[in-house]
Order: sequence, then C-alpha cells, then structure tokens
Amino acid sequence: SQQGEEDPQALSIQEGENATMNCSYKTSINNLQWYRQNSGRGLVHLILIRSNEREKHSGRLRVTLDTSKKSSSLLITASRAADTASYFCATDWSGYALNFGKGTSLLVTP
Amino acid sequence: GAVVSQHPSRVICKSGTSVKIECRSLDFQATTMFWYRQFPKKSLMLMATSNEGSKATYEQGVEKDKFLINHASLTLSTLTVTSAHPEDSSFYICSASKEGADEQYFGPGTRLTVT
Repeated sequence: SQQGEEDPQALSIQEGENATMNCSYKTSINNLQWYRQNSGRGLVHLILIRSNEREKHSGRLRVTLDTSKKSSSLLITASRAADTASYFCATDWSGYALNFGKGTSLLVTP
Repeated sequence: GAVVSQHPSRVICKSGTSVKIECRSLDFQATTMFWYRQFPKKSLMLMATSNEGSKATYEQGVEKDKFLINHASLTLSTLTVTSAHPEDSSFYICSASKEGADEQYFGPGTRLTVT
C-alpha cells in the first residue's frame, strides 16, 4: 500500500528559482528514495537517504529526512526547464519493494 | 552501472489477446524483480514480486491468473497480461535490485493499450 504522500501536488516556478517538494510517510523505514519521471517515461533514481542520515546532497539536489516527523524534502536549486518532470518519493521499509507517493508535478518555465 | 531493460516499450493489442512484457537486468543478476503499474498521472502501484525459481508474490487485489509472472533466470522476468481488456491499459514498469543493495533500478516501462 502507498504510504508516501508528496506535497505540493503541482508546483510551477521560473528558471533559476528553487523548488522544494515534501514527502510524508506513515511507518518506519530503512531508507527513502526520490525518483524523477518525465512524462510517459520510466523512473530515474535521484538520491537515496538512509534512516540514520539527516541530509544528503547530489549536485543541485538536497534531500533532508526527519524520521521523528516521518517526512523528507527534496530541494532543487537553480532550477532549469529540463527539471520539468514528476518527482516521487518512495520508502523502503523492509529491504522489499518500494512504496511510492503520489508525486509532485514540477513545471519550470524559461 | 545497473541497467534494466523492458520489451516492448509500447504495445497495442485487441481485447481478449495476451501480451507478454519482458524485464531484463543487463549487467547484474537480480534474484528479485518487482512489477509496478501506473495509471495516467498516478503513482506507481506494486503488483507483484518476482523471485527467481519460485512463484511470484502478488499484492492484494492483483489477479495472479490474469497477470502471469515468470522469473526464469537471474536476469529475466516476464509479465503476461492474459485475456487483456481495455481497463488493463496502463504503464507497466519493472525494477530489479542487486543482492544486498538498497537501490532499485527501473526499466523504461511498457505502455500497453488494449483496444
């Protein structure tokens, strides 16, 4: 069953601005992952943060994890039009299959 | 790297026919593969877990006789949609993970349209 919930559902910003997406989940996790999906395409793994980590960086991406609040955020800095996509968080609670949130649809306009 | 391929990428079939989708891990062995389904503008829903050499484990509400899964080798899992109906039209995505690793690697997906 799904346990990740992203917000906002949709986000529209201009190039150069930062985009922040949040994800909340319900049960204990081993790790939380963020994926990107371009329209009609497969998923691209962006970043994984383990339950004992609080923050992780990868290029223009910054992910935070607050296990006490069961929430995570994905920050994309200096956004580009090519960042337009849907972003999903997914939780791994048992080394098993992933539970995906509903996704945030990001639109970056030039 | 870890590459997962799916074939076909797009298929259109008539109601009542069966469609087979292949998922291959190209450069690693995957004892476990997962099949997901995604409706338009929705999130991915896990359908089943495919284990090499044993029966697949289906999620609640997924008909195992309709969605046949076979994991014949450490690099290949197949999903067969039997007697397809228009409501089976969807985007099917597989994923695989390396033994002992947390990351899952996703295939590019297969878009099924049943007319």
